[in-house]
Amino acid sequence: NAGVTQTPKFRILKIGQSMTLQCTQDMNHNYMYWYRQDPGMGLKLIYYSVGAGITDKGEVPNGYNVSRSTTEDFPLRLELAAPSQTSVYFCASSRLGEDTQYFGPGTRLTVL
Amino acid sequence: GESVGLHLPTLSVQEGDNSIINCAYSNSASDYFIWYKQESGKGPQFIIDIRSNMDKRQGQRVTVLLNKTVKHLSLQIAATQPGDSAVYFCAEDGGAGTALIFGKGTTLSVSS
Repeated sequence: NAGVTQTPKFRILKIGQSMTLQCTQDMNHNYMYWYRQDPGMGLKLIYYSVGAGITDKGEVPNGYNVSRSTTEDFPLRLELAAPSQTSVYFCASSRLGEDTQYFGPGTRLTVL
Repeated sequence: GESVGLHLPTLSVQEGDNSIINCAYSNSASDYFIWYKQESGKGPQFIIDIRSNMDKRQGQRVTVLLNKTVKHLSLQIAATQPGDSAVYFCAEDGGAGTALIFGKGTTLSVSS
């Protein structure tokens, strides 16, 4: 199993541009999550999903959108990139009935 | 404010010493806690977890202690090695059944 994979690893955006961060897991986990991590800080939850077709907001959802059309994929969309969205983004997944979350390697995004 | 925090942002130890990383939490209703290790440029990696019906759990070279009376969590690493150098986060369940709340992290530096 590859676990949780994320693409791209790095990206630089200009203000106002849009992009989609991809996340895929091959563990057949029901739950998936998107976090952002700012320098020297812990992770903050952006959105999460408890299964295909179901998503919900986390602590810091503004400026982001998600979709969950399949169990495997949970893309994160930035429509109008802002400098405040410069961060490292982590996707995670967990099995139904279990709390342990497994993380991807992250996407480092810079908005200039 | 954050529900979970760490007492020290940095901890420096010598190779072979035992390390203790501390974490305080504020939600007395939390019933699940996790320690993650994050190496530079990588996603958080699960180390060990504990439920509130336990006060101690041991893994390979790691022990987690939970003191519910003072809402304190600690991670003990025995015979610390240079490969243990990383940022360590504690996290608690957010009460929603799916979201974890992360603290800011403690950077452990191991010198040989």
